Amino acid sequence: DGGITQSPKYLFRKEGQNVTLSCEQNLNHDAMYWYRQDPGQGLRLIYYSQIVNDFQKGDIAEGYRVSREKKESFPLTVTSAQKNPTAFYLCASSILAGRYEQYFGPGTRLTVT
Amino acid sequence: SQKIEQNSEALNIQEGKTATLTCNYTNYSPAYLQWYRQDPGRGPVFLLLIRENEKEKRKERLKVTFDTTLKQSLFHITASQPADSATYLCALDGDNDMRFGAGTRLTVKP
Repeated sequence: DGGITQSPKYLFRKEGQNVTLSCEQNLNHDAMYWYRQDPGQGLRLIYYSQIVNDFQKGDIAEGYRVSREKKESFPLTVTSAQKNPTAFYLCASSILAGRYEQYFGPGTRLTVT
Repeated sequence: SQKIEQNSEALNIQEGKTATLTCNYTNYSPAYLQWYRQDPGRGPVFLLLIRENEKEKRKERLKVTFDTTLKQSLFHITASQPADSATYLCALDGDNDMRFGAGTRLTVKP
């Protein structure tokens, strides 16, 4: 059963702590993406990766880190430097980067207090 | 700066009517435009893709138009049903990514 998974669904952290969100896909897609969604707003691109061992900053990369050591995995670390980390985080993948349809995971809702 | 605007935050229509959602963009020259559906608390799901050289695309009760002169796409759902209630996002291709609009929340009332 192919797809993209994110875990956990809900995550709570104290301010000042780093936290890592998991994203795994078994679709054999080269490209992967991380978005942030705030209430009433669209998806804002944090980072994307076109291929293993490569990634580029999106519009709001400050305070976030990613790695792409394996084709199927693209974890996102929300660091303590991120000013407003509470949000809904979505991971997506596509066969190649750019214009191809994106497959989204179920999302992780992060709450930092 | 590049901007994607979807006509309104919310649209309410009666079951059986046609819903029309608008996506306008500025300072873009997209070759492709996509529409996604998003249910509350879930990830978006791809619906349709239309290329710049295509005027119209259909899939079952869905129809998308793409006017590169007006810099606008229209998304139609005919014979709407309460199950069509969701937020609909348009997305435009960038260099190596997609950029999404804020979405329009559609409510279809029985």
